[in-house]
Amino acid sequence: DVVMTQSPLSLPVTLGQPASISCRSSQSLVYTDGNTYLNWFQQRPGQSPRRLIYKVSNRDSGVPDRFSGSGSGTDFTLKISRVEAEDVGVYYCMQSTHWPHTFGQGTKLEIK
Amino acid sequence: EVQLVESGGGLVQPGGSLRLSCAASGFTFSSYWMHWVRQAPGKGLVWVSRINSDGSSTTYADSVKGRFTISRDNAKNTVYLQMNSLRAEDTAVYYCVRGRLSILWGDYWGQGTLVTVSS
Repeated sequence: DVVMTQSPLSLPVTLGQPASISCRSSQSLVYTDGNTYLNWFQQRPGQSPRRLIYKVSNRDSGVPDRFSGSGSGTDFTLKISRVEAEDVGVYYCMQSTHWPHTFGQGTKLEIK
Repeated sequence: EVQLVESGGGLVQPGGSLRLSCAASGFTFSSYWMHWVRQAPGKGLVWVSRINSDGSSTTYADSVKGRFTISRDNAKNTVYLQMNSLRAEDTAVYYCVRGRLSILWGDYWGQGTLVTVSS
């Protein structure tokens, strides 16, 4: 199985400051069609997960533009340009290139 | 508005069975793949199973293969997860999740249903 490794696992951030989460895969996530199926999800406390980013850098509808995704191959990053209170929660990367699809361990973002 | 509503969770003894349902609305259900993802208490997300749009193709995580069966009824806009031979480690919130393709999914999630396996 492809192992997804996130860092850091805990991320205290001051309101209005940027935040960055790294996600590394144990093998390349480039699919046979040339796309890279790396996704980012946010799970706020007590809520279901919500997809923020798909195929590395595509924001889902309704996702604020302060969220951005980047990366290639095996190294990926989710960035929040200016953290707001509503961003508190756990962030997961997930690869859907290889079966079984696998998630990272999660990064807990909290306000300092 | 897209909605996914899971039901059927509860307390079951080890070795028992449970069938989860996920009722979909607000989109053309028969055009989408559907997935189940679970989350043990305080833990991360784990993909469990998927089914293609017409129900002819299914895939399972190794941890549930041979014990769980995913199915769907497109006339009822519902996807199911039949869980047999349940173990304590199957205790989790189970989410149903929509997918446009087998490898592009996750844009909508249900609220989840809790399955507790305990004697």
